[in-house]
Amino acid sequence: DQQVKQNSPSLSVQEGRISILNCDYTNSMFDYFLWYKKYPAEGPTFLISISSIKDKNEDGRFTVFLNKSAKHLSLHIVPSQPGDSAVYFCAARDDYKLSFGAGTTVTVRA
Amino acid sequence: EAGVTQFPSHSVIEKGQTVTLRCDPISGHDNLYWYRRVMGKEIKFLLHFVKESKQDESGMPNNRFLAERTGGTYSTLKVQPAELEDSGVYFCASSQGVYEGQFFGPGTRLTVL
Repeated sequence: DQQVKQNSPSLSVQEGRISILNCDYTNSMFDYFLWYKKYPAEGPTFLISISSIKDKNEDGRFTVFLNKSAKHLSLHIVPSQPGDSAVYFCAARDDYKLSFGAGTTVTVRA
Repeated sequence: EAGVTQFPSHSVIEKGQTVTLRCDPISGHDNLYWYRRVMGKEIKFLLHFVKESKQDESGMPNNRFLAERTGGTYSTLKVQPAELEDSGVYFCASSQGVYEGQFFGPGTRLTVL
């Protein structure tokens, strides 16, 4: 049973515009949510996170929003840059264990 | 500081053969995790070591998979005998504390023919 879902496998956005990535989850026990970024032939690298007691966390161009009642989170990247082209994974933590979504491939067009 | 390293980066084997993947965590990280991503799907948890002890191996697919962590340093994941469905990318991650951020290695891409 997949507890974290990213329903959009891909996203194409023009450079300078906003990228919005979405993620849904089912497990109410998740206490922390994370976004990882992955380039080809590399492992996932941590991008930004949010505690379940907050609804927003911002770090530079990256903002994560959490809607607990809807069991939904999103990642906003503004403005999008060519170096942002990568696969983005949503992850959720229950105790120490991370559950990941299937990833969204973002392509930033010049 | 060196990151998490994994060896080999790629492995192609025949069904029925044995393969051993290796992970070297970041020095000083007591927690080591194995994950797997199959066919572009989600990254799935396999197991968790604290030092040399297995804390949780609930994600291990079956008894063809054996993980060890000798002396609480590097870890190996052996698949014996390998089946076609074992193909995928195997990631290792490590963290200092159990609730601290996990750092991932580049992965080993396993192809079983």
